[in-house]
Amino acid sequence: GAVVSQHPSWVICKSGTSVKIECRSLDFQATTMFWYRQFPKQSLMLMATSNEGSKATYEQGVEKDKFLINHASLTLSTLTVTSAHPEDSSFYICSVNRGPSGANVLTFGAGSRLTVL
Amino acid sequence: GNSVTQMEGPVTLSEEAFLTINCTYTATGYPSLFWYVQYPGEGLQLLLKATKADDKGSNKGFEATYRKETTSFHLEKGSVQVSDSAVYFCALSDQAGTALIFGKGTTLSVSS
Repeated sequence: GAVVSQHPSWVICKSGTSVKIECRSLDFQATTMFWYRQFPKQSLMLMATSNEGSKATYEQGVEKDKFLINHASLTLSTLTVTSAHPEDSSFYICSVNRGPSGANVLTFGAGSRLTVL
Repeated sequence: GNSVTQMEGPVTLSEEAFLTINCTYTATGYPSLFWYVQYPGEGLQLLLKATKADDKGSNKGFEATYRKETTSFHLEKGSVQVSDSAVYFCALSDQAGTALIFGKGTTLSVSS
């Protein structure tokens, strides 16, 4: 099935710096990708829907200027956490919609853990 | 709005015990329902799904039946193994291919 790769799997940064997380669909051209955030012992919260060639659609309460999403190609979407602060520390997970041929099932990356000091 | 409620964990069982993880949902219309599993250090994997009422999803000995009358999608397995230890997430989507709404997850720990 479709394989989704995220990089880095773990990043530690200083407060105030920006961090970019990549999500790659390795064997499927994805027009739509989803970014989730997972807090410890909590559910996955949808942050935004990333659409290839157009602006991302953000969920209510998610700061679009803080969490920049770029979906420049059918195989790559990036999430940039700008001016990161400790409260941004979390597990960020992307998923790919495999489309009708894949029964519209979402395939998830392994996640990227961000720790802001 | 749409939501998913799962039983709180952790669930601790001995090998070969029967497993039930309760999941109920709130949704308008007729959502598709899913169970995902997250093994330690790995990404979410689809375990099973059901797209309409009375459908039964099954995989790897796990089963769940879409019950519209009780708005439930409980996960069951007759005999768990140590390798089943993971976090299990119930989820729904109101349209095919759209983002999923997840429950909080239930941690299962199986000991030999």
